[in-house]
Amino acid sequence: DVVMTQTPVSLSVSLGGQTSISCRSSQSLVHSDGNTYLYWYLQKPGQSPQLLIYKVSNRFSGVPDRFSGSGSGTDFTLKISRVEPEDLGVYYCYQGTHYPNTFGAGTKLELK
Amino acid sequence: EVQLQESGPGLVKPSQSLSLTCSVTGYSITSNYWGWIRKFPGNKMEWMGYISYSGSTSYNPSLKSRISITRDTSKNQFFLQLNSVTTEDTATYYCATRGGDYWGQGVMVTVSS
Repeated sequence: DVVMTQTPVSLSVSLGGQTSISCRSSQSLVHSDGNTYLYWYLQKPGQSPQLLIYKVSNRFSGVPDRFSGSGSGTDFTLKISRVEPEDLGVYYCYQGTHYPNTFGAGTKLELK
Repeated sequence: EVQLQESGPGLVKPSQSLSLTCSVTGYSITSNYWGWIRKFPGNKMEWMGYISYSGSTSYNPSLKSRISITRDTSKNQFFLQLNSVTTEDTATYYCATRGGDYWGQGVMVTVSS
C-alpha cells in the first residue's frame, strides 16, 4: 500500500497567521492517465470530512483562496493563510491514484 | 442539493455482520463512484471500497473477503456489508463519492458483546 506520511501531527497557529502541512507518499502519485490524484480534506469537530483541494492544487467549490495546494510526484503541501477560527480541525491528505486508496494520519490545527 | 445519509445499527456483536445503507438524494448512483470510508477511534481513516456507476466494485485488500458493497438503483441506495466483525471494526462509517466531494454525516458503529 502507498504510505502517506503527513507532518506535523499538530499545529498551533495564531488567528490571521499562515501555516503549511506536508504530505509525502511512498511512491509517485502520477497516474497512468497523467493526473495526480492527491486530495486534501478538513474534518471540523463533530462534522464529516470536507473536500478542500483535489488533484494537488484545485480548490473545491466554495473553498476560500486562503487554501492552496502544491507539489508533484511524492511531495505535496497544503498552505493556509490568514487562518480563521473556522479552519480549526484535522486535515488529511489522501491519494486516489493507487489501490487501495490511502490517507495520511492527519494534522490537528489548533489556535495558539 | 446532493445529500448522503447513512443508516444502520450502532451496535453489532462480534462475529456477526455489519450492514449499513447509504441513501442518496440529488444525484443518481448510476453516475459516479460511491464508496465507504471509516474513521477509527483517534484519527486513522481507512478507505474500504466503492461501487461504480455500472455496478462494478473495488475493495481494500485489508478487508479480504469480509466486505461487500451492493446497490439498489431503484431506491438510489448503496449498501455496505462487513462480515465476521471484531472489536477492531469499531469506527465511524461514512459513505461518500469517490473524490470525496460529497459525504454523509457518518454513523458510529460499536462492535461489542
